[in-house]
Amino acid sequence: GEDVEQSLFLSVREGDSSVINCTYTDSSSTYLYWYKQEPGAGLQLLTYIFSNMDMKQDQRLTVLLNKKDKHLSLRIADTQTGDSAIYFCAESSSNTGKLIFGQGTTLQVKP
Amino acid sequence: DAGVIQSPRHEVTEMGQEVTLRCKPISGHNSLFWYRQTMMRGLELLIYFNNNVPIDDSGMPEDRFSAKMPNASFSTLKIQPSEPRDSAVYFCASASGGANEQFFGPGTRLTVL
Repeated sequence: GEDVEQSLFLSVREGDSSVINCTYTDSSSTYLYWYKQEPGAGLQLLTYIFSNMDMKQDQRLTVLLNKKDKHLSLRIADTQTGDSAIYFCAESSSNTGKLIFGQGTTLQVKP
Repeated sequence: DAGVIQSPRHEVTEMGQEVTLRCKPISGHNSLFWYRQTMMRGLELLIYFNNNVPIDDSGMPEDRFSAKMPNASFSTLKIQPSEPRDSAVYFCASASGGANEQFFGPGTRLTVL
Protein backbone atom coordinates (compact mmCIF):
# COMPACT_ATOMS: atom_id res chain seq x y z
CA GLY A 1 0.00 0.00 0.00
CA GLU A 2 0.89 3.65 0.02
CA ASP A 3 3.50 4.64 2.56
CA VAL A 4 5.41 7.80 3.46
CA GLU A 5 8.53 7.64 5.62
CA GLN A 6 10.43 10.38 7.43
CA SER A 7 13.21 10.50 9.99
CA LEU A 8 11.83 11.40 13.40
CA PHE A 9 14.19 14.07 14.63
CA LEU A 10 16.58 16.76 13.39
CA SER A 11 18.58 19.23 15.44
CA VAL A 12 20.33 22.27 13.94
CA ARG A 13 21.84 25.52 15.14
CA GLU A 14 20.19 28.84 14.48
CA GLY A 15 21.39 30.27 11.17
CA ASP A 16 22.28 26.89 9.68
CA SER A 17 20.31 25.21 6.91
CA SER A 18 17.93 22.37 7.75
CA VAL A 19 17.17 19.54 5.37
CA ILE A 20 14.23 17.28 6.13
CA ASN A 21 13.89 14.16 4.00
CA CYS A 22 10.95 12.02 3.00
CA THR A 23 10.45 8.92 0.90
CA TYR A 24 7.20 7.62 -0.53
CA THR A 25 6.12 4.47 -2.31
CA ASP A 26 3.23 5.49 -4.54
CA SER A 27 4.61 6.08 -8.03
CA SER A 28 1.33 7.63 -9.13
CA SER A 29 1.60 10.51 -6.66
CA THR A 30 0.48 13.73 -8.28
CA TYR A 31 1.17 16.24 -5.52
CA LEU A 32 3.58 16.18 -2.61
CA TYR A 33 3.24 18.46 0.38
CA TRP A 34 5.06 19.81 3.38
CA TYR A 35 3.04 20.73 6.45
CA LYS A 36 4.25 22.36 9.66
CA GLN A 37 2.74 21.75 13.09
CA GLU A 38 3.60 24.03 15.97
CA PRO A 39 2.90 22.92 19.56
CA GLY A 40 -0.80 22.85 20.36
CA ALA A 41 -1.84 23.79 16.84
CA GLY A 42 -3.15 22.14 13.70
CA LEU A 43 -1.11 21.43 10.61
CA GLN A 44 -0.33 24.35 8.36
CA LEU A 45 0.52 23.88 4.70
CA LEU A 46 3.98 25.25 3.95
CA THR A 47 4.34 24.37 0.32
CA TYR A 48 3.56 21.73 -2.25
CA ILE A 49 5.06 20.51 -5.50
CA PHE A 50 3.49 18.92 -8.53
CA SER A 51 5.02 15.60 -9.49
CA ASN A 52 6.31 16.85 -12.85
CA MET A 53 8.50 19.44 -11.13
CA ASP A 54 12.01 18.89 -9.78
CA MET A 55 12.31 21.91 -7.56
CA LYS A 56 10.25 24.68 -6.04
CA GLN A 57 11.58 27.64 -4.11
CA ASP A 58 9.60 29.92 -1.85
CA GLN A 59 11.63 32.44 0.16
CA ARG A 60 13.67 30.40 2.67
CA LEU A 61 12.08 27.12 1.62
CA THR A 62 13.37 24.89 -1.18
CA VAL A 63 11.62 21.66 -2.12
CA LEU A 64 13.49 19.07 -4.16
CA LEU A 65 11.77 16.10 -5.75
CA ASN A 66 13.54 13.05 -7.14
CA LYS A 67 10.70 11.15 -8.73
CA LYS A 68 12.88 8.26 -9.82
CA ASP A 69 13.96 7.58 -6.25
CA LYS A 70 10.61 8.72 -4.78
CA HIS A 71 12.48 11.12 -2.52
CA LEU A 72 11.31 14.52 -1.39
CA SER A 73 13.26 17.03 0.69
CA LEU A 74 12.57 20.35 2.36
CA ARG A 75 15.45 22.74 2.87
CA ILE A 76 15.02 25.67 5.24
CA ALA A 77 17.71 28.30 4.80
CA ASP A 78 18.89 30.41 7.74
CA THR A 79 16.88 28.35 10.21
CA GLN A 80 15.36 30.36 13.06
CA THR A 81 14.14 29.29 16.50
CA GLY A 82 10.62 29.98 15.26
CA ASP A 83 11.07 27.16 12.75
CA SER A 84 11.10 24.64 15.60
CA ALA A 85 8.09 22.42 14.94
CA ILE A 86 7.05 19.07 13.52
CA TYR A 87 7.22 18.85 9.74
CA PHE A 88 5.00 16.40 7.89
CA CYS A 89 5.50 15.15 4.37
CA ALA A 90 2.35 14.03 2.53
CA GLU A 91 1.44 12.70 -0.88
CA SER A 92 -1.75 12.62 -2.91
CA SER A 93 -2.54 10.45 -5.87
CA SER A 94 -6.28 10.71 -6.27
CA ASN A 95 -8.87 13.33 -7.03
CA THR A 96 -10.63 12.73 -3.74
CA GLY A 97 -8.27 14.92 -1.75
CA LYS A 98 -7.06 12.08 0.45
CA LEU A 99 -3.50 12.60 1.69
CA ILE A 100 -1.08 10.03 3.01
CA PHE A 101 1.07 11.58 5.75
CA GLY A 102 4.47 10.59 7.07
CA GLN A 103 5.00 10.30 10.80
CA GLY A 104 6.54 13.76 11.06
CA THR A 105 10.06 15.07 11.70
CA THR A 106 10.63 17.11 14.84
CA LEU A 107 12.96 20.00 14.04
CA GLN A 108 14.82 21.43 17.02
CA VAL A 109 16.63 24.72 16.47
CA LYS A 110 19.26 25.57 19.06
CA PRO A 111 20.19 29.22 19.63
CA ASP B 1 -12.09 33.74 6.33
CA ALA B 2 -12.23 32.18 9.80
CA GLY B 3 -10.66 28.93 8.67
CA VAL B 4 -11.80 25.52 9.83
CA ILE B 5 -13.59 25.80 13.16
CA GLN B 6 -13.64 22.98 15.68
CA SER B 7 -15.41 22.71 19.00
CA PRO B 8 -14.82 22.11 21.76
CA ARG B 9 -11.07 22.80 21.90
CA HIS B 10 -10.70 20.64 24.97
CA GLU B 11 -12.91 17.87 26.28
CA VAL B 12 -12.46 15.84 29.43
CA THR B 13 -14.91 13.04 30.02
CA GLU B 14 -15.25 9.79 31.88
CA MET B 15 -15.06 6.36 30.37
CA GLY B 16 -18.41 5.23 29.01
CA GLN B 17 -19.70 8.70 28.25
CA GLU B 18 -20.70 9.88 24.79
CA VAL B 19 -18.45 12.46 23.16
CA THR B 20 -19.39 14.63 20.18
CA LEU B 21 -16.79 16.66 18.31
CA ARG B 22 -17.87 19.32 15.88
CA CYS B 23 -16.37 20.85 12.77
CA LYS B 24 -17.29 23.69 10.45
CA PRO B 25 -15.28 23.56 7.22
CA ILE B 26 -14.21 26.55 5.18
CA SER B 27 -17.09 27.86 3.12
CA GLY B 28 -17.01 26.51 -0.42
CA HIS B 29 -14.84 23.51 0.37
CA ASN B 30 -16.36 20.22 -0.74
CA SER B 31 -14.12 17.72 1.08
CA LEU B 32 -13.89 17.19 4.82
CA PHE B 33 -11.50 14.97 6.74
CA TRP B 34 -11.34 13.74 10.34
CA TYR B 35 -7.92 12.79 11.73
CA ARG B 36 -6.69 11.52 15.06
CA GLN B 37 -3.21 12.29 16.37
CA THR B 38 -1.45 10.41 19.17
CA MET B 39 2.18 10.06 20.18
CA MET B 40 2.10 6.33 19.54
CA ARG B 41 0.33 6.23 16.17
CA GLY B 42 0.98 9.66 14.73
CA LEU B 43 -1.61 11.22 12.43
CA GLU B 44 -4.35 8.82 11.30
CA LEU B 45 -7.11 9.52 8.81
CA LEU B 46 -10.39 8.32 10.30
CA ILE B 47 -12.92 9.21 7.62
CA TYR B 48 -13.44 11.68 4.81
CA PHE B 49 -16.42 13.12 3.01
CA ASN B 50 -16.80 14.45 -0.50
CA ASN B 51 -19.86 16.64 -1.15
CA ASN B 52 -21.26 15.52 2.24
CA VAL B 53 -21.03 11.82 1.32
CA PRO B 54 -18.69 9.51 3.27
CA ILE B 55 -16.11 8.19 0.82
CA ASP B 56 -13.73 6.17 2.96
CA ASP B 57 -14.32 5.25 6.58
CA SER B 58 -11.75 2.47 6.72
CA GLY B 59 -9.77 4.40 9.31
CA MET B 60 -12.60 4.47 11.84
CA PRO B 61 -11.27 2.27 14.63
CA GLU B 62 -14.46 0.64 15.87
CA ASP B 63 -18.22 0.76 15.76
CA ARG B 64 -18.04 3.09 18.73
CA PHE B 65 -16.97 5.80 16.29
CA SER B 66 -19.41 7.42 13.89
CA ALA B 67 -19.29 10.54 11.74
CA LYS B 68 -21.95 12.54 9.98
CA MET B 69 -22.06 15.46 7.61
CA PRO B 70 -25.68 16.61 7.38
CA ASN B 71 -24.80 19.61 5.24
CA ALA B 72 -21.86 21.33 3.59
CA SER B 73 -21.10 23.49 6.60
CA PHE B 74 -21.15 21.04 9.51
CA SER B 75 -19.80 17.66 10.53
CA THR B 76 -19.71 15.67 13.74
CA LEU B 77 -17.56 12.85 15.03
CA LYS B 78 -19.17 10.86 17.81
CA ILE B 79 -17.64 8.33 20.17
CA GLN B 80 -20.08 6.20 22.17
CA PRO B 81 -19.09 4.83 24.60
CA SER B 82 -15.72 6.52 25.03
CA GLU B 83 -12.67 4.69 26.39
CA PRO B 84 -9.35 5.96 27.80
CA ARG B 85 -7.52 4.77 24.66
CA ASP B 86 -9.59 7.26 22.65
CA SER B 87 -7.64 10.07 24.30
CA ALA B 88 -5.98 12.02 21.47
CA VAL B 89 -6.13 15.24 19.50
CA TYR B 90 -8.80 15.08 16.82
CA PHE B 91 -8.37 17.31 13.78
CA CYS B 92 -10.82 18.29 11.12
CA ALA B 93 -9.58 19.51 7.74
CA SER B 94 -11.30 20.72 4.60
CA ALA B 95 -10.26 20.99 0.98
CA SER B 96 -11.55 22.16 -2.35
CA GLY B 97 -10.40 20.03 -5.27
CA GLY B 98 -7.49 21.24 -7.35
CA ALA B 99 -4.18 20.63 -5.61
CA ASN B 100 -5.98 18.86 -2.79
CA GLU B 101 -4.57 21.36 -0.32
CA GLN B 102 -6.09 20.61 3.08
CA PHE B 103 -6.70 23.28 5.68
CA PHE B 104 -6.63 22.04 9.24
CA GLY B 105 -8.60 23.22 12.22
CA PRO B 106 -6.94 23.81 15.60
CA GLY B 107 -8.00 20.39 16.89
CA THR B 108 -9.96 19.07 19.86
CA ARG B 109 -7.89 17.60 22.66
CA LEU B 110 -9.92 14.73 24.12
CA THR B 111 -9.09 13.16 27.45
CA VAL B 112 -11.07 10.13 28.58
CA LEU B 113 -10.53 9.28 32.23
